[in-house]
Amino acid sequence: SAVISQKPSRDICQRGTSLTIQCQVDSQVTMMFWYRQQPGQSLTLIATANQGSEATYESGFVIDKFPISRPNLTFSTLTVSNMSPEDSSIYLCSVVGLFKTSEQYFGPGTRLTVT
Amino acid sequence: AQSVTQPDIHITVSEGASLELRCNYSYGATPYLFWYVQSPGQGLQLLLKYFSGDTLVQGIKGFEAEFKRSQSSFNLRKPSVHWSDAAEYFCAVGYFAGANNLFFGTGTRLTVIP
Repeated sequence: SAVISQKPSRDICQRGTSLTIQCQVDSQVTMMFWYRQQPGQSLTLIATANQGSEATYESGFVIDKFPISRPNLTFSTLTVSNMSPEDSSIYLCSVVGLFKTSEQYFGPGTRLTVT
Repeated sequence: AQSVTQPDIHITVSEGASLELRCNYSYGATPYLFWYVQSPGQGLQLLLKYFSGDTLVQGIKGFEAEFKRSQSSFNLRKPSVHWSDAAEYFCAVGYFAGANNLFFGTGTRLTVIP
């Protein structure tokens, strides 16, 4: 399976600021996704990161709030913009590999606290 | 609309006892079904998956799950729980083999007591 790393692993940020989270995979993958896991909740898909084009956002998530980049097949970033305490969550990236298209693998997550 | 239900928020079992975590889904066609485990401070690890064929699937760490179409269920089982199995378990449903857009249940937290 792919090895996925995320930076930072955790951060404490002030409201009104922005944080960019990086997701790096050790091999080329077909699809990359960003999820949010709010405290005590399950995972919710934010968007699909598309290489070389705009991300595809799920209902309730918009590009202005969560801009996403994917410059190549192994890297993506998610920015949480103009943060409020309600953005305090774990943010996880996940990938679908080139050859195991039936399986989705998750990174370790970024724990974000907004004060 | 697709939905996944994990009716047990928290389960406590003794080490060595058997375990069954419940998962029910709502979806028009046969879904692709997954179980993930999340240990404290960790990401999600895929335990097992079902796409087609044999309805009893084996996964890692001694886990297995059985797909029952008539009950729209995909329950996770383990015959003998180890203390290291204490974690949060998530059932997920996907549309197709690409596993895009997974829908996750709310999770079941497993506590293992000595």
